[in-house]
Amino acid sequence: DQQVKQNSPSLRVQEGRISILNCDYTNSMFDYFLWYKKYPAEGPTFLISISSIKDKNEDGRFTVFLNKSAKHLSLHIVPSQPGDSAVYFCAASGAMNRDDKIIFGKGTRLHILP
Amino acid sequence: GAGVSQSPSNKVTEKGKDVELRCDPISGHTALYWYRQSLGQGLEFLIYFQGNSAPDKSGLPSDRFSAERTGGSVSTLTIQRTQQEDSAVYLCASRRGLEETQYFGPGTRLLVL
Repeated sequence: DQQVKQNSPSLRVQEGRISILNCDYTNSMFDYFLWYKKYPAEGPTFLISISSIKDKNEDGRFTVFLNKSAKHLSLHIVPSQPGDSAVYFCAASGAMNRDDKIIFGKGTRLHILP
Repeated sequence: GAGVSQSPSNKVTEKGKDVELRCDPISGHTALYWYRQSLGQGLEFLIYFQGNSAPDKSGLPSDRFSAERTGGSVSTLTIQRTQQEDSAVYLCASRRGLEETQYFGPGTRLLVL
């Protein structure tokens, strides 16, 4: 049973436009959400996070939105750049300040087109 | 500073053989995780070590898989009697205490023939 779902395996976006990556979760106990970015042959790197007490967190070109009632979050990248081409993983955990395992989605491969 | 390192970077083995994968976490990081990523799949949680607590082994797919963490630092993931479906990239991550950001190693790409 997948607790974190990324239903789009891939996404193609024109350079300069907005990239929107979506993620849904099923476990209402999740209260901390993260996005990771992964290039080929490298480990994932942390990008941005949001706790359930917020509905938006922004860091430069990256913004994460959380809709708790819909159990949905999204990552917006604007403007999209060629270096953003990578696989993006959505992840969730059960507690922000306790040690807990982090559950990952299957990832969305983002292609930024020149 | 040094990040998480994993060795070997690539491993090819024959079905039925045992393999050991090593992870050196970032110094001072008390939490250590193992994940694997099979082709076309997401990151599958395997096992989690936190300090001196008993590890969370809930993600290990079978009793052929085991892991140790010696001295609260280096960890070894052992797969006994490897099967072709064990072929995947095995990723290790560490994090410091209550800080939620995990830092991943580059992974070990395992191919079982």
